[in-house]
Amino acid sequence: SQQGEEDPQALSIQEGENATMNCSYKTSINNLQWYRQNSGRGLVHLILIRSNEREKHSGRLRVTLDTSKKSSSLLITASRAADTASYFCATGPLMDSSYKLIFGSGTRLLVRP
Amino acid sequence: GAGVSQSPSNKVTEKGKDVELRCDPISGHTALYWYRQSLGQGLEFLIYFQGNSAPDKSGLPSDRFSAERTGGSVSTLTIQRTQQEDSAVYLCASSPTASYNSPLHFGNGTRLTVT
Repeated sequence: SQQGEEDPQALSIQEGENATMNCSYKTSINNLQWYRQNSGRGLVHLILIRSNEREKHSGRLRVTLDTSKKSSSLLITASRAADTASYFCATGPLMDSSYKLIFGSGTRLLVRP
Repeated sequence: GAGVSQSPSNKVTEKGKDVELRCDPISGHTALYWYRQSLGQGLEFLIYFQGNSAPDKSGLPSDRFSAERTGGSVSTLTIQRTQQEDSAVYLCASSPTASYNSPLHFGNGTRLTVT
């Protein structure tokens, strides 16, 4: 079963605009990670935010985490055509005895030049 | 250095045949994961190996699926008596340690088509 669910499922924006993607999850977590997937390729890790953190930045990426609402958001500022990809959140359930990451269904981002 | 390598990159097989998918993780990575991704969908966890510990097989969809990891390095995912619903991209990932704070490094996957 899916632990994380992203919304929107698809997002189309103009180059230079900001893109915001949201992720909701079901159970308590140890941390939450965001990954990016270009078409036909594997996933690439973008950023990790721990359960005791509320916000984290990496370059043009900003991630927030609200554990009370079991949700996270990924903001990409000043988007570029090269940001076109699918973005996935992944969580590590706190009570799970193994370290398997559970991925959401992803947001497909299209940045129009 | 070399990343996670998966082979073959594409595999077409007839329904009922067995297939083997191979994953070479990054050298020194102790954790290895298999995921399945159907077209346009998210990743479905299949199995997880960590060092010499018993693997977490909780995601394997049926007893037709099995995986092994020899010598703590290369892993093989085997699907017996393939069905059309097995068609998907099978992704392998490795990480340095078994920890939620250790990001996964993915291969480019094997696209399996069952005709």
